[in-house]
Amino acid sequence: SQTIHQWPATLVQPVGSPLSLECTVEGTSNPNLYWYRQAAGRGLQLLFYSVGIGQISSEVPQNLSASRPQDRQFILSSKKLLLSDSGFYLCAWSKKGNQPQHFGDGTRLSIL
Amino acid sequence: QKEVEQNSGPLSVPEGAIASLNCTYSDRGSQSFFWYRQYSGKSPELIMSIYSNGDKEDGRFTAQLNKASQYVSLLIRDSQPSDSATYLCAVKEAAGNKLTFGGGTRVLVKP
Repeated sequence: SQTIHQWPATLVQPVGSPLSLECTVEGTSNPNLYWYRQAAGRGLQLLFYSVGIGQISSEVPQNLSASRPQDRQFILSSKKLLLSDSGFYLCAWSKKGNQPQHFGDGTRLSIL
Repeated sequence: QKEVEQNSGPLSVPEGAIASLNCTYSDRGSQSFFWYRQYSGKSPELIMSIYSNGDKEDGRFTAQLNKASQYVSLLIRDSQPSDSATYLCAVKEAAGNKLTFGGGTRVLVKP
């Protein structure tokens, strides 16, 4: 069966510090991968998605970036965090085609 | 801009009753529809997928789809306090790889 791992579960960072969140999927190959952010009490905002290694589509212009260095690895980064970057970051994967997405446990990021 | 609309709630139902959640979408060509449950502080969990018009049942959950009316619903029978959560409707875009999520309906099941 397929599993998705996200870490860390919680993170507290100062404004202006860098960020790296990692997501890996096991038990499948060539998945679509997604990064979402959910602000407190709000809906899901798609940040980036990838259909293959090295292929990244950005949905919202901001100070975040994403990379997919390996087939089942998806990384979300920032060089300098802003207060507005606080939120619940979720990684998801799906098979190709009309398939649902499956979410990791998420990372709760607080910026001080 | 593709949209998915849900009533934010809260939808308050007594234990044992049926909870009825509704969702409308704007992308007429969409073919894949999903319901997710999200407990407070947790990540969304897939509970139902539906692709064809009509009803699809899975345990206490029934999803209903009407593509002509661009409407999808979720029924929760014999509601339990553990069903208290936010339910997210998601619609896959007709051409592409993205899901559009509704804002979610918060359900409260009272003992």
